[in-house]
Amino acid sequence: GAGVSQSPSNKVTEKGKDVELRCDPISGHTALYWYRQSLGQGLEFLIYFQGNSAPDKSGLPSDRFSAERTGGSVSTLTIQRTQQEDSAVYLCASSPAGTQEETQYFGPGTRLLVL
Amino acid sequence: AQSVTQPDIHITVSEGASLELRCNYSYGATPYLFWYVQSPGQGLQLLLKYFSGDTLVQGIKGFEAEFKRSQSSFNLRKPSVHWSDAAEYFCAVRKRSYQKVTFGIGTKLQVIP
Repeated sequence: GAGVSQSPSNKVTEKGKDVELRCDPISGHTALYWYRQSLGQGLEFLIYFQGNSAPDKSGLPSDRFSAERTGGSVSTLTIQRTQQEDSAVYLCASSPAGTQEETQYFGPGTRLLVL
Repeated sequence: AQSVTQPDIHITVSEGASLELRCNYSYGATPYLFWYVQSPGQGLQLLLKYFSGDTLVQGIKGFEAEFKRSQSSFNLRKPSVHWSDAAEYFCAVRKRSYQKVTFGIGTKLQVIP
């Protein structure tokens, strides 16, 4: 079946502009995660959605970052007033819910470059 | 806070040689443990995972990993490396009662003929 998809695959923007990154999780997966992968860094957790519960936003680096998930499916990560340090690959993952042992399935990522 | 250490940022091995990638975690209880691989321009693919039971875990592409509680380690191994194994490998841990996954910094594997 289809995996996690993300769009755009690449985004170049100017400093100060807002950007929106989209994630389509695997159908039926109720959990959705956003990560950031910066050059030379591991994956940094940003935010986690589970069903209709309040999201875990503990990883968002600043109030310029926000995310929403509409209808329990598609998610959008928004970065306002982008800065050069926001340049990174943004990865989305989804997982089925219901057990402790659920595994995350990753999308190909969106490579963001802020000039 | 839990942490994951991958001490080797970059490893080079010859094709056909054996491979071991190290991973240590810092956490009070045994977490769930994962290894992912990321090929250039690709997303992360799960190689294997440890939840409980047999401490030697078999994964895809001929990889295996051994959980050693006494050493807080979960090293990834492959007896004979193929050129297509060149990629970046990430160790990850997740607390058993929590969804957040903590990733290591990654080990970049280069395979030479």
